[in-house]
Amino acid sequence: NAGVTQTPKFRVLKTGQSMTLLCAQDMNHEYMYWYRQDPGMGLRLIHYSVGEGTTAKGEVPDGYNVSRLKKQNFLLGLESAAPSQTSVYFCASSYSGRGNQPQHFGDGTRLSIL
Amino acid sequence: LAKTTQPISMDSYEGQEVNITCSHNNIATNDYITWYQQFPSQGPRFIIQGYKTKVTNEVASLFIPADRKSSTLSLPRVSLSDTAVYYCLVGDSMIYNQGGKLIFGQGTELSVKP
Repeated sequence: NAGVTQTPKFRVLKTGQSMTLLCAQDMNHEYMYWYRQDPGMGLRLIHYSVGEGTTAKGEVPDGYNVSRLKKQNFLLGLESAAPSQTSVYFCASSYSGRGNQPQHFGDGTRLSIL
Repeated sequence: LAKTTQPISMDSYEGQEVNITCSHNNIATNDYITWYQQFPSQGPRFIIQGYKTKVTNEVASLFIPADRKSSTLSLPRVSLSDTAVYYCLVGDSMIYNQGGKLIFGQGTELSVKP
């Protein structure tokens, strides 16, 4: 049982390039989330999804797009990467959005934008 | 949305009991209190969750006073492997309608020394 799997684990991009980060979960969870973690900032929510075909903005959505075409997958896209998007990106999933449902996290994607 | 306040860092020695207190003065009736642990280069991992009084599992105990304005995570007999960042979160049960904002603060960096 893999839980939450993120690919790739590391990536270096040049400013202006685009890329997609993939998150896959095998727990049949409805909710999925994308966070970014920067030094001294904790985790900040970028976008989230409450089910297949739905997405919503989180705290810091600018510069990112997401899609949830399949229940088990949640994709995070950077259309035109900027150095400010250098960060560690974490995907998470939960059974529901209720406060008593813990989130399960992947091990992150470390992204550097030069 | 309830904001949480935790100490930035704590030091301890192997074999000691560690108590990390989190303040959440504006906690709402439907909010649960959840603690996560994060090791370097890994995603956060769920430790324990509670609503009121005391909760205990194989890893930790969570103490919540009657007014629920604070909570204390207790780690019995810590070892070097407990060195990590610990996050306290207050989860709104209607996360969807609240914009998906589970707020991760900066967490408490626990350092366990031999």
